[in-house]
Amino acid sequence: GAVVSQHPSRVICKSGTSVKIECRSLDFQATTMFWYRQFPKQSLMLMATSNEGSKATYEQGVEKDKFLINHASLTLSTLTVTSAHPEDSSFYICSASGRGVEYEQYFGPGTRLTVT
Amino acid sequence: AQSVTQPDIHITVSEGASLELRCNYSYGATPYLFWYVQSPGQGLQLLLKYFSGDTLVQGIKGFEAEFKRSQSSFNLRKPSVHWSDAAEYFCAVSGFQKLVFGTGTRLLVSP
Repeated sequence: GAVVSQHPSRVICKSGTSVKIECRSLDFQATTMFWYRQFPKQSLMLMATSNEGSKATYEQGVEKDKFLINHASLTLSTLTVTSAHPEDSSFYICSASGRGVEYEQYFGPGTRLTVT
Repeated sequence: AQSVTQPDIHITVSEGASLELRCNYSYGATPYLFWYVQSPGQGLQLLLKYFSGDTLVQGIKGFEAEFKRSQSSFNLRKPSVHWSDAAEYFCAVSGFQKLVFGTGTRLLVSP
């Protein structure tokens, strides 16, 4: 149980375009979803937290207009990188927690974004 | 504020030898503690977690960790390392709805 999927696993886009990454909880209702960014050989940095049906809460220094997060249902959250630039190239990982297990997060497999 | 320190950036262990990865945390209340493993280009897999109770926690793949409140530590151990254990290991502490990760320890396994 507690499986989280991400799509796509890899994406290459041109500078200036937007790209959407999906995060789905497959077998539980994700009341809260998290989006992390990970640079090579570094730890995960939390970008934002989203509760179903509410606006996302962004961490300090994360541009909310650039990284659009939508959590429209209890099983789906999306991260849209708008007007992507090469410096946005990174590994993006989502996680989810459910009702009654708020202290535990289940992680997706990650999405490698490369902006050319 | 919560924080996690993993003092070892890299550790090299011979296959079959024992392993201990260090983790120290700072948290104002009873911590919820986790160890995750990440293979290159992959997401995070939960090895084990501590919420309460027995301070020696058993996890998957033969790993265990011991919570020591007096030392604010939650070190990960394995009695005999396999080549497939080579990966990045992250310790994390959780407050409500928020995980704070350490910087990770890269485990290298030599033949």
